Amino acid sequence: GNSVTQMEGPVTLSEEAFLTINCTYTATGYPSLFWYVQYPGEGLQLLLKATKADDKGSNKGFEATYRKETTSFHLEKGSVQVSDSAVYFCALMGNAGKSTFGDGTTLTVKP
Amino acid sequence: EAGVAQSPRYKIIEKRQSVAFWCNPISGHATLYWYQQILGQGPKLLIQFQNNGVVDDSQLPKDRFSAERLKGVDSTLKIQPAKLEDSAVYLCASSPTLTDNHNEQFFGPGTRLTVL
Repeated sequence: GNSVTQMEGPVTLSEEAFLTINCTYTATGYPSLFWYVQYPGEGLQLLLKATKADDKGSNKGFEATYRKETTSFHLEKGSVQVSDSAVYFCALMGNAGKSTFGDGTTLTVKP
Repeated sequence: EAGVAQSPRYKIIEKRQSVAFWCNPISGHATLYWYQQILGQGPKLLIQFQNNGVVDDSQLPKDRFSAERLKGVDSTLKIQPAKLEDSAVYLCASSPTLTDNHNEQFFGPGTRLTVL
């Protein structure tokens, strides 16, 4: 079956540091890939997505590129802010809309 | 546009009791998902509906869990009887359609269940 593996956390960074959260996947066919974010006290919400190989999703300064050759979808941001502190989930959606989530990575950004 | 609504937000029960959760998806969304999220883990899909039909319930523990989506709108998830390991947040999500896999899911706030 499909699976998503995220780098283990938690991750603690200083403000303005560079962020990378690794995500790799296993899937049959041609899944779409997503990053969801959960801010403290809030529900899961979409951060960005990519629907085919070599697509780059971007939002709020975050980027991720769909790499089929390495089955990866790593999340990056050049300069994190305290307000980026949250839990980040990598997910895929395969055939018939079946979705699989990673276990999440907790990011804490210190001023 | 109203988001996905869930109730109750919190529920505490004793083991072997029954519990039900309710979800109202975004208007017009054909696909509805129920997830179980145990602390420290990602959401695990329990069941997926397309309108009022079940698309995938392969990970639903059918000896104790049941779900329905009458009329293809609201949905209820029931646990009977509950076990300690059912303590988790139960998330409902909806998505416009199943015709492609590009659509994002919209999540409700979740119901936090504690089984004592």
